Amino acid sequence: EIVLTQSPATLSLSPGERATLSCRASQSVSSYLAWYQQKPGQAPRLLIYDASNRATGIPARFSGSGSGTDFTLTISSLEPEDFAVYYCQQRSNWPLWTFGQGTKVEIK
Amino acid sequence: EVQLVESGGGLVQPGGSLRLSCAASGFTFSSYEMNWVRQAPGKGLEWVSYISSSGSTIYYADSVKGRFTISRDNAKNSLYLQMNSLRAEDTAVYYCARAPNNDYGDYWGQGTLVTVSS
Repeated sequence: EIVLTQSPATLSLSPGERATLSCRASQSVSSYLAWYQQKPGQAPRLLIYDASNRATGIPARFSGSGSGTDFTLTISSLEPEDFAVYYCQQRSNWPLWTFGQGTKVEIK
Repeated sequence: EVQLVESGGGLVQPGGSLRLSCAASGFTFSSYEMNWVRQAPGKGLEWVSYISSSGSTIYYADSVKGRFTISRDNAKNSLYLQMNSLRAEDTAVYYCARAPNNDYGDYWGQGTLVTVSS
């Protein structure tokens, strides 16, 4: 089973700052990695798919990079609505999905 | 507009059963693979089950295999999850998710809460 490890668990930042979130896979997942944003009481929202492609309607301040085992989600300048929990997800061992444990981006 | 609306959650005793539904609209349901994903209170996301667009291919997480059954009715644009022999650890919000090529979930329902407790 492929395990995804996200770091840090919590990121405390101020609006306007840059956020860098990490997702590491226990073995290569090629580029089959997605990122989601989840706010309290809401469903996950797809941000990035195939490691670096923004989903429909996602602002350009969100970007994804990486391949193999190391991936990064970057939010270039945090807006108030970006404070949320972020999950990575892989589907390398199709059709099973596995998720990271999440990174909470909170207001400093 | 793509919409997924789950229903059927509620409070059930350990060992009991529930059937969740996911009503789809705004897209050609029969063309898409679908998944159920759950989230225990205060916890992360856990994949539960997959079904192909035709319903001919099905997979389950080990944690629910033999107890849960996924199905779909393409004529009714609906996805289902029959949950039997429920345990306390099945308590979670259950989401249905549309999955293009099953790579990722591009649209998710709002979720339905299942609570297993005596």
